[in-house]
Amino acid sequence: DQQVKQNSPSLSVQEGRISILNCDYTNSMFDYFLWYKKYPAEGPTFLISISSIKDKNEDGRFTVFLNKSAKHLSLHIVPSQPGDSAVYFCAAIPLNAGGTSYGKLTFGQGTILTVHP
Amino acid sequence: EAQVTQNPRYLITVTGKKLTVTCSQNMNHEYMSWYRQDPGLGLRQIYYSMNVEVTDKGDVPEGYKVSRKEKRNFPLILESPSPNQTSLYFCASSLDYLSTDTQYFGPGTRLTVL
Repeated sequence: DQQVKQNSPSLSVQEGRISILNCDYTNSMFDYFLWYKKYPAEGPTFLISISSIKDKNEDGRFTVFLNKSAKHLSLHIVPSQPGDSAVYFCAAIPLNAGGTSYGKLTFGQGTILTVHP
Repeated sequence: EAQVTQNPRYLITVTGKKLTVTCSQNMNHEYMSWYRQDPGLGLRQIYYSMNVEVTDKGDVPEGYKVSRKEKRNFPLILESPSPNQTSLYFCASSLDYLSTDTQYFGPGTRLTVL
């Protein structure tokens, strides 16, 4: 049972335009959400995160939005650049009552983003 | 340079032949984890370790073993590999279990079991 889903396997965008990557989750215990970026032949690298007490977090060209009632998050990249071409994974962590992680990270299937010059 | 290293990077083996994939980190991290990446399934956690001598199952632990005898190393052991364990494996580490959001990943080990 896939608890974190990225329903778009791939996305193609023109350089300079906005890229929007989507992620849905089913487990209401998830409280902290992350995006990772992965280039071929490399391990994933952390990109941006958001806590469930927020609905938006911004870092330069990257913004993550969280809609907790819809169990949906999205990553916006503006403007998109060819160097952003990579696989993007969303991930989620459940937090216990004390606000600490259970140590388990659950990933989505990934979305391949291609940014054309 | 802070890094997570994995060896080997590529491995082709046959069914039933025991193998070990090593993972080492030089950041004095307490938390370490193993994932496998498969097409259409993303990354799935196999095992994780919150500290030395403390390990726990992830989502897909069947067919794997781990050990954490020292802080820097977290080997993944396949006692009797099968073709369904053909996958891309990643080791990761973070400062502690509270910092699992900022995990550092190794470069990956591509395993093929014939």
